[in-house]
Amino acid sequence: DIQMTQSPSSLSASVGDRVTITCQASQDISNYLNWYQQKPGKAPKLLIYDASNLETGVPSRFSGSGSGTDFTFTISSLQPEDIATYYCQQYDNLPPAFTFGPGTKVDIK
Amino acid sequence: EVQLVESGGGLVKPGGSLRLSCAASGFTFSSYSMNWVRQAPGKGLEWVSSISSSSSYIYYADSVKGRFTISRDNAKNSLYLQMNSLRAEDTAVYYCARRLGQGRFDYWGQGTLVTVSS
Repeated sequence: DIQMTQSPSSLSASVGDRVTITCQASQDISNYLNWYQQKPGKAPKLLIYDASNLETGVPSRFSGSGSGTDFTFTISSLQPEDIATYYCQQYDNLPPAFTFGPGTKVDIK
Repeated sequence: EVQLVESGGGLVKPGGSLRLSCAASGFTFSSYSMNWVRQAPGKGLEWVSSISSSSSYIYYADSVKGRFTISRDNAKNSLYLQMNSLRAEDTAVYYCARRLGQGRFDYWGQGTLVTVSS
């Protein structure tokens, strides 16, 4: 089974800061990597799919990059409404399975 | 507008059973693979099960294999999860989610809480 790690597990940053979260897969997953935002008490929301594609309606301050085993999620200018936990998620098709990273909690400093 | 609305959660004793439902609207339900994803209190997300658009392909996480059964009724635009032999570690909010493309979940329901406790 493919394992996903995320770092950091939590971070505090100021409004306007650039925030970067990394996600690492235990084996090559090509670009089968998605990023979600989850606010307390709410369902997750898809932000980035296939490693670098911005979901429709998602602000352009969110971006993703990477392929293979190493991936990066970036908020270019942190906003108060970005306070949430962010999860990476990979898709494995042999057999089909979906694995989420442990999450990164983002707070405002 | 795409909507997914889960129901059926509640308190159940260890070893008991529960059936979750997810009512879909705003899209052609029969064209999409659907999934259940759960989140234990204060924990991360865990994929539970997946069913293809025509129910031809069904997959489960190892943690629920043999105990949970996913199904769908395309005529009723509904997804189901039959949960048997429930354990305390199955306590979680259960979300239904639509799958798109290379395994991304683009729409999620609001979730339904399942609590397994004596």
